[in-house]
Amino acid sequence: GQNIDQPTEMTATEGAIVQINCTYQTSGFNGLFWYQQHAGEAPTFLSYNVLDGLEEKGRFSSFLSRSKGYSYLLLKELQMKDSASYLCAVRDQRSNDYKLSFGAGTTVTVRA
Amino acid sequence: DSGVTQTPKHLITATGQRVTLRCSPRSGDLSVYWYQQSLDQGLQFLIQYYNGEERAKGNILERFSAQQFPDLHSELNLSSLELGDSALYFCASSPSTGGETQYFGPGTRLLVL
Repeated sequence: GQNIDQPTEMTATEGAIVQINCTYQTSGFNGLFWYQQHAGEAPTFLSYNVLDGLEEKGRFSSFLSRSKGYSYLLLKELQMKDSASYLCAVRDQRSNDYKLSFGAGTTVTVRA
Repeated sequence: DSGVTQTPKHLITATGQRVTLRCSPRSGDLSVYWYQQSLDQGLQFLIQYYNGEERAKGNILERFSAQQFPDLHSELNLSSLELGDSALYFCASSPSTGGETQYFGPGTRLLVL
């Protein structure tokens, strides 16, 4: 199984940068996902890492280190609409079966 | 809009009752996943169907069951409902057996009174 840890809450100012860390333990790592979820709404896909390094997508970047079981999501030029929960999810593979497990989520509050 | 649809959006029922939640995957997706999200539990994987067959099981109670029909839509049946079953239920879909990104539907909010 997986043990996925991420901070519960973070607060930042509009225009600033916030980094959300995620650590995990898994036996058949097959990729790490970040999802954004506004309260009461569906999780929406942000990024995917399967190899070590940084993936950049506009204001959002995600980093992975498989040897350290560590990822972070970097949100730049924060906007009020970025206030949401950010979910780290790890995919395991065993033979031809895959399982996606989610962390509890980090609630980011952006203040003016 | 992810292309995954779920009905109903909201459901209010009483303890002991049975409800059915419905999900239509994105066009072309063969896998459907069901998740439960409650305030104190986070997003919990319940079950996956692939092309009509059960593919993987997570933390699904025996009171809950699901199926996927030939047109690939899926239903999640919740019976003998308890107060603790109150939660958001999400459906997600992906093209194949699970090695791809999952896209989530808008969810069904279930309230058991």
